[in-house]
Formats: sequence, structure tokens, C-alpha cells
Amino acid sequence: GENVEQHPSTLSVQEGDSAVIKCTYSDSASNYFPWYKQELGKRPQLIIDIRSNVGEKKDQRIAVTLNKTAKHFSLHITETQPEDSAVYFCAAMVNDMRFGAGTRLTVKP
Amino acid sequence: GAVVSQHPSRVICKSGTSVKIECRSLDFQATTMFWYRQFPKQSLMLMATSNEGSKATYEQGVEKDKFLINHASLTLSTLTVTSAHPEDSSFYICSAQVGVNEQYFGPGTRLTVT
Repeated sequence: GENVEQHPSTLSVQEGDSAVIKCTYSDSASNYFPWYKQELGKRPQLIIDIRSNVGEKKDQRIAVTLNKTAKHFSLHITETQPEDSAVYFCAAMVNDMRFGAGTRLTVKP
Repeated sequence: GAVVSQHPSRVICKSGTSVKIECRSLDFQATTMFWYRQFPKQSLMLMATSNEGSKATYEQGVEKDKFLINHASLTLSTLTVTSAHPEDSSFYICSAQVGVNEQYFGPGTRLTVT
């Protein structure tokens, strides 16, 4: 089955800096790669996603890149703000979704 | 985005009793819903895939007789934890599939078994 690895597990940045979270997946049939933001005790919220026929997608301060050959994808957050602090999960999907272990992002004011 | 509700948000039950958790898609129909379990500071682990009108597909290691899933309509899936034990205490989250891939999550149910 699909195996998704996510790094780093924790990430601390200064407000205004960029943050990058990386994930790798094992199943080359995976065709959908969403990123979720989860605040403590709350539901995961979809923040951006990318499909396997696209290499990059951007939405304001958030961007995702996908390298199908290498089977990895990354989340980039620019101009980070304290409210970006949360746990971020990547996921890869064929028929069902497999999640990475999560990255706890802390943005220091 | 699509709205998914979940009820109850919190439940405390005694060991040996059963608990039912409801997951509803409020403004769309979902032929497929998913049930996840999340332990503290851990990722979401898929428990089962729930398809309307058919039996759920369980992940390896998840006991189907312990975690009963019913998806009787296009807007409702239920998870019943039977004979709950303290080790079943966790955060249970459902999601509903929209379109080909997108999933929207319910707010989760925190189950505590005493």
C-alpha cells in the first residue's frame, strides 16, 4: 500500500520567513496530493492540493510542487504569520488517502 | 467548501458499552465517506471506507465487528464502537468525498472510555 513520509516533524521559523515541508510517497499510482492544516482539537482543513498532471500550484502565500519522477511533493509558505502556526499534514491518494506523520509549524512573532 | 458535521463532539462512556458516532454531509451527497482515528500528536489513520448501500472496507488491523459502520444514505454514515475499552479512547474523524478526490472532514469526536 501507499506509504507517505513527511519531514520535518517540527519546524520553527521567524515571522516573515518562508517554511518548507517535504513529503515522499511510494505508490506511483497516487494521483492526488492534498495538504491539510490542523489546529489543536480541530478538524483538518484543506489548504491546497495538486493533481499528478500538474507540477506546481500557487494560492497567495501557499504553493505546492510535485515531482512525479522522484515521488515527492512539497509545501511552501511564504511571509509566514503567527496564525500559520499549526500541524500540517500531507497526503497521497489513489483510492483512499494516506497521510504523512505531520509537521508542527511554529511561527514566532 | 463542503460542510461535514459530526455528532457527538465529545463522549465519555464506561468500559464495555457501545458508542455511536454520526457523520453527515450537510450540503452535498457523499457516496463515499471515510473514518479515521487520531491519537494525540499523531497522524490520521484510516480505519475504513464507507460506501453508501454497501459494506464498508476496513483497513488491516481494524476489527469490523468492533467498529461497525453503516452508510445507509448519501448524507449519513455512522460508526459504532462496540464494547469499548480504554484503549479505544481517541479522536475519531470522518470525511466525505466530494468529486473525484477531495475530502472534507468533520469536526471530530473525542471518545473517552473510562
